Amino acid sequence: NAGVTQTPKFQVLKTGQSMTLQCAQDMNHEYMSWYRQDPGMGLRLIHYSVGAGITDQGEVPNGYNVSRSTTEDFPLRLLSAAPSQTSVYFCASSYSGQGGVVPQYFGPGTRLLVL
Amino acid sequence: AQSVAQPEDQVNVAEGNPLTVKCTYSVSGNPYLFWYVQYPNRGLQFLLKYITGDNLVKGSYGFEAEFNKSQTSFHLKKPSALVSDSALYFCAVRDISGSGTYKYIFGTGTRLKVLA
Repeated sequence: NAGVTQTPKFQVLKTGQSMTLQCAQDMNHEYMSWYRQDPGMGLRLIHYSVGAGITDQGEVPNGYNVSRSTTEDFPLRLLSAAPSQTSVYFCASSYSGQGGVVPQYFGPGTRLLVL
Repeated sequence: AQSVAQPEDQVNVAEGNPLTVKCTYSVSGNPYLFWYVQYPNRGLQFLLKYITGDNLVKGSYGFEAEFNKSQTSFHLKKPSALVSDSALYFCAVRDISGSGTYKYIFGTGTRLKVLA
């Protein structure tokens, strides 16, 4: 299993540009999430999905869109990039079981710089 | 609202000495707590979790964590630190408020530096 994969590893954008961060998992996990990691802020939840066709907002959703057309993929779209979106983005997946108290599996991250 | 706090930005410890990374939590209901480790330029890796039962939870790489309900703490420990343990450590709690069944709240992280 490849686990959780993310592409690209690093991206530089200009303010106002759009892009999609890709996330895929091959573990047949129902639950997928996007986080951003900023110094001193820990990880903050952007959007999450509990299954194909179902998404919901997290703590910091503004400026980001998601969709979940398949179990495997959960792309994150930046419609109009802003310098405040400079961050490291992590995708994570998990599964139902143990009453839902299960760990998350994280991808390697995408480092985004918005100029 | 549920939350976790990691009061130390950095912890320094000499190799071979015991280490403790602190975490306190605030939850309504039963706490479901996790520790993750992040090595440079990598994603987070699961170390251990507490659901119920024994207050001392054992996890990967020789780490363990002590759950203390009266102090609302879940400190990460290791009897003998290794230089290779140097990394960023995150405490997390599962958010069970509203419909966020599978949402997790993370602390701000503690950087552990083990000195040779």
